[in-house]
Amino acid sequence: LAKTTQPISMDSYEGQEVNITCSHNNIATNDYITWYQQFPSQGPRFIIQGYKTKVTNEVASLFIPADRKSSTLSLPRVSLSDTAVYYCLVGDAGTGGFKTIFGAGTRLFVKA
Amino acid sequence: SQTIHQWPATLVQPVGSPLSLECTVEGTSNPNLYWYRQAAGRGLQLLFYSVGIGQISSEVPQNLSASRPQDRQFILSSKKLLLSDSGFYLCAWKGNSYEQYFGPGTRLTVT
Repeated sequence: LAKTTQPISMDSYEGQEVNITCSHNNIATNDYITWYQQFPSQGPRFIIQGYKTKVTNEVASLFIPADRKSSTLSLPRVSLSDTAVYYCLVGDAGTGGFKTIFGAGTRLFVKA
Repeated sequence: SQTIHQWPATLVQPVGSPLSLECTVEGTSNPNLYWYRQAAGRGLQLLFYSVGIGQISSEVPQNLSASRPQDRQFILSSKKLLLSDSGFYLCAWKGNSYEQYFGPGTRLTVT
C-alpha cells in the first residue's frame, strides 16, 4: 500500500477555505484516494473519494494532479464544527479485500 | 439501511483478564469487516480484516485474535490483556464501494 504524508496540524478561521494536501509518491495504478473525517470519540466518516482530476460533493472537493502523487482536500467556508482530524488513504479495493492504512492524519482547528 | 453495532461502549479490565468485543452489521451481506485500534491522540491502527466467514487476516502480531463466526459478526478477543491494549477499538465494514463505515467504538481501559 502506498504510504501517505500529511501535515500534522492546521489552523483556520470560520468562513475560510481550507486546503489539506496529502503526498502519496508510491501510488499504484489501481489505487483510489479517499478522505475521512474523525471527531473525538467517534469513528471516521467518509468525506470524498477520487481517482484523478477533480471530484466535488456537497461537503468538499478533491483535487488530484495528473501524476497522482499528491491530492488536496478542499473544505469551503469552514465552520467551528469542521474542527476534526482528516485522514488521507490510498488503496486498492481488489479481490483480496480492501486493506486500509490510516496515517496520523491532519488535525484541523477552526477558530471563531 | 445498513447499521453497525459495537458493544460494550466502555470497558475497564484488569491486566491479565480476557477480552471479548463484538461487532455486528445489519442491512448488508458478505461485507468486508475490520478491527482498528486507536491510542489516545494517535491515528488508527489496522488490527484484523476479514473478507468472509472464517477468513481472518492479521496485521499486527500481538496478544489479540479475531473471529468471524457468522457473515455479519466480527469478534475481537484476548486471553490476557496488557496495559498496552488500552485504546479506542473500532469496527468497520465495507461493501461493494471503497467507502468504509465505522461503528461507535469501544473505549477499553486496562488497569
